[in-house]
Amino acid sequence: SYELTQPPSVSVSPGQTASITCSGDKLGDKYACWYQQKPGQSPVLVIYQNTKRPSGIPERFSGSNSGNTATLTISGTQAMDEADYYCQAWDSTTVVFGGGTKLTVL
Amino acid sequence: QLQLQESGPGLVKPSETLSLTCTVSGGSISSSNHYWGWIRQPPGKGLEWIGSIYYSGSTYYNPSLKSRVIISIDTSKNQFSLKLSSVTAADTAVYYCARNTNGYVGFDYWGQGTLVTVSS
Repeated sequence: SYELTQPPSVSVSPGQTASITCSGDKLGDKYACWYQQKPGQSPVLVIYQNTKRPSGIPERFSGSNSGNTATLTISGTQAMDEADYYCQAWDSTTVVFGGGTKLTVL
Repeated sequence: QLQLQESGPGLVKPSETLSLTCTVSGGSISSSNHYWGWIRQPPGKGLEWIGSIYYSGSTYYNPSLKSRVIISIDTSKNQFSLKLSSVTAADTAVYYCARNTNGYVGFDYWGQGTLVTVSS
């Protein structure tokens, strides 16, 4: 079965750039999306089709996908961005989530 | 504004069947542009896709759960449902329903989630 691998945790200082990776076999040939989940809340879609932002998502969130790695980049990270982030892709008709990355802003 | 709301028992006994319903409001479940999915999250763990259904009734399941899962849709009630059989403690989780827009957009609307505990 297809697997997506994320680092368990990433730390970033306020105002700096955070990068969260998601690795999978030939992931760059697929579409990836990213979700943000804060404690006690439902996930929120922040990036879809590798690079697109849904309405209402700040411009500091961006995405890329090439080779075996998709990356979520948060520029000028703010304290409110502290959350768990999940990547997701499709393997044929199957939906696959990464294990999640806890982003700490300190 | 589209809203999704999960409903069903919060406690299920081991070996029994977990049944949940998702009621969609503010939009039609019969849209040809969307799939409707179930995702779960065990306490303190990550997201796991259970399966999705199209308004026509076509279903897609996580291979690891396929033998125990049935997802159905009732367009007259604007609802879709999940049945997970032979549950164990490992099925204890927050269960979310969500909308998946065609074209590899991802799950763009989510319910608030409902905690289902498997325990005798």
